[in-house]
Amino acid sequence: KAGVTQTPRYLIKTRGQQVTLSCSPISGHRSVSWYQQTPGQGLQFLFEYFSETQRNKGNFPGRFSGRQFSNSRSEMNVSTLELGDSALYLCASSEGGGEPQHFGDGTRLSIL
Amino acid sequence: DQQVKQNSPSLSVQEGRISILNCDYTNSMFDYFLWYKKYPAEGPTFLISISSIKDKNEDGRFTVFLNKSAKHLSLHIVPSQPGDSAVYFCAASGGGGATNKLIFGTGTLLAVQP
Repeated sequence: KAGVTQTPRYLIKTRGQQVTLSCSPISGHRSVSWYQQTPGQGLQFLFEYFSETQRNKGNFPGRFSGRQFSNSRSEMNVSTLELGDSALYLCASSEGGGEPQHFGDGTRLSIL
Repeated sequence: DQQVKQNSPSLSVQEGRISILNCDYTNSMFDYFLWYKKYPAEGPTFLISISSIKDKNEDGRFTVFLNKSAKHLSLHIVPSQPGDSAVYFCAASGGGGATNKLIFGTGTLLAVQP
């Protein structure tokens, strides 16, 4: 089975721009979650989608948004980028509640 | 407010010996705990999990122990191998399986010396 695939692996943007990151979950997994990893804050939960519905949301501003498609693929969008948004963005998928999440290798976003 | 804490930033162990990584949590609503291993430039890899209805779970060289009264869990790796050298994160979730929101600790860097 193919793992979680995230594209692109690296991205460089400037302040004020917006960005869209993509995640393809493991086949059959309906839950997709997004996390942000920074040296200062560690791994923090952004949001979770299950069957195209946002099921949970972390403590991030509204500039961070996401969606999930009928094939379970997910995208997250960050608008009006700030320097502090530089981070590794990780996507994880699972079959549902009570099952472990499996992570992709992330998208490294750098804001200049 | 750090709900999941890993107080040891690093740990060094000799090959073949036991590695014990510790994790404390504060939220009594957490009912599912996981350990992940992370190499540089890769995403976290799931190792082992435990539900709050159990106090021990084993998978090969990896055993996780849960002490609910102390709000403490630990990961034992026996025997330790050089390939185990990585950052280890513990994570917790609550809500009885209705959510996959994970709260992560800050990680412990394990170095296994040959």
